[in-house]
Amino acid sequence: RKEVEQDPGPFNVPEGATVAFNCTYSNSASQSFFWYRQDCRKEPKLLMSVYSSGNEDGRFTAQLNRASQYISLLIRDSKLSDSATYLCVVYNNAGNMLTFGGGTRLMVKP
Amino acid sequence: DTGVSQDPRHKITKRGQNVTFRCDPISEHNRLYWYRQTLGQGPEFLTYFQNEAQLEKSRLLSDRFSAERPKGSFSTLEIQRTEQGDSAMYLCASSYPGPGRSRGNTDTQYFGPGTRLTVL
Repeated sequence: RKEVEQDPGPFNVPEGATVAFNCTYSNSASQSFFWYRQDCRKEPKLLMSVYSSGNEDGRFTAQLNRASQYISLLIRDSKLSDSATYLCVVYNNAGNMLTFGGGTRLMVKP
Repeated sequence: DTGVSQDPRHKITKRGQNVTFRCDPISEHNRLYWYRQTLGQGPEFLTYFQNEAQLEKSRLLSDRFSAERPKGSFSTLEIQRTEQGDSAMYLCASSYPGPGRSRGNTDTQYFGPGTRLTVL
């Protein structure tokens, strides 16, 4: 079983739609959580950190459920420019490394 | 551009050849990471430096792989006797666990554009 699991998609949604991605992680000692965005043939870029209390950045909302070990990302009012792969990322202090999920591909259509 | 840079951006080599990649981190960042990413997968951690010390190595890093950061600035990743299975994107990231970092205990990692390796 992978340490961080995501539905690979693709999620095909029309502009303006709301879309949600979930991610599960297996290491209960994981301490920090993130969503990264990766455009085709580009490097991953930090989209937002994920806190237990939940956090929002414009149209993006991230939530963490430690008890169930899952992380979610909600995108409201999807734009064409949101088309990308969204990587769920978990950080463990013990190894000082990021562990990435396989990514969920989003395609927003006009 | 003051971001992480990597060189070369693309490398095509024949099986059995040695290749070396370079990463220049953001100048004030003392932590440097190497990851490997294959098509359709997320990046996988390979190794981590704090200054010139290599503190973590993944079991993915076989004895054909070696990474150095001799002066605590740029880093090189060498692959000896390349195999077709080494074909991937090799990503470098850097971070600085200092004031102004993201909330929590984790310093934000900034990625370079990657070196795409193709082994024929």
